[in-house]
Amino acid sequence: GAVVSQHPSRVICKSGTSVKIECRSLDFQATTMFWYRQFPKQSLMLMATSNEGSKATYEQGVEKDKFLINHASLTLSTLTVTSAHPEDSSFYICSALDGPGEQYFGPGTRLTVT
Amino acid sequence: AQSVTQPDIHITVSEGASLELRCNYSYGATPYLFWYVQSPGQGLQLLLKYFSGDTLVQGIKGFEAEFKRSQSSFNLRKPSVHWSDAAEYFCAVGFGNEKLTFGTGTRLTIIP
Repeated sequence: GAVVSQHPSRVICKSGTSVKIECRSLDFQATTMFWYRQFPKQSLMLMATSNEGSKATYEQGVEKDKFLINHASLTLSTLTVTSAHPEDSSFYICSALDGPGEQYFGPGTRLTVT
Repeated sequence: AQSVTQPDIHITVSEGASLELRCNYSYGATPYLFWYVQSPGQGLQLLLKYFSGDTLVQGIKGFEAEFKRSQSSFNLRKPSVHWSDAAEYFCAVGFGNEKLTFGTGTRLTIIP
């Protein structure tokens, strides 16, 4: 199946700083990528839908100015957590769409804000 | 309202025993249906999916799922579990190129 990578796998940052997470589709082009957030022992919650060449669509309650998404190419989407705070600590997972219903997930990024 | 329900938060089974994880959905039309597995600290791996056609779907690692339209269900089964099957299992639904909606997950524990 198709492969999606995320970088970094783990990141620790200080409160008030920004951190960027990359999501890459390695062997296919993805017009659409998705960003999810997962709290410990909980399900995945969609944050936003990232479309190549256009603005991301954010889910209700997700601050677009805090979670900046850029999908500048067909194989790369980035999520930047700006002015991070401890409550932003979470597991962030991206996925990329390789055709209708064909969604492949990255391995996730563990963000810890101290 | 559209929803996906996994009624069992945690299931414990003995190694070698059979397994069934439940998933029900509430949508106006039949969505695409998926089962994913997640090991601790890892991403999601697709076990199987249903789009249309044969209602019994075979997946990886010996898993299968049956779509029952009358019950709006898509239960996951495995005839004999292995210790390596211990993980979190998520049912998800979606339409075409749209986002997936996940159930709350079922944690599977395997006892020797």
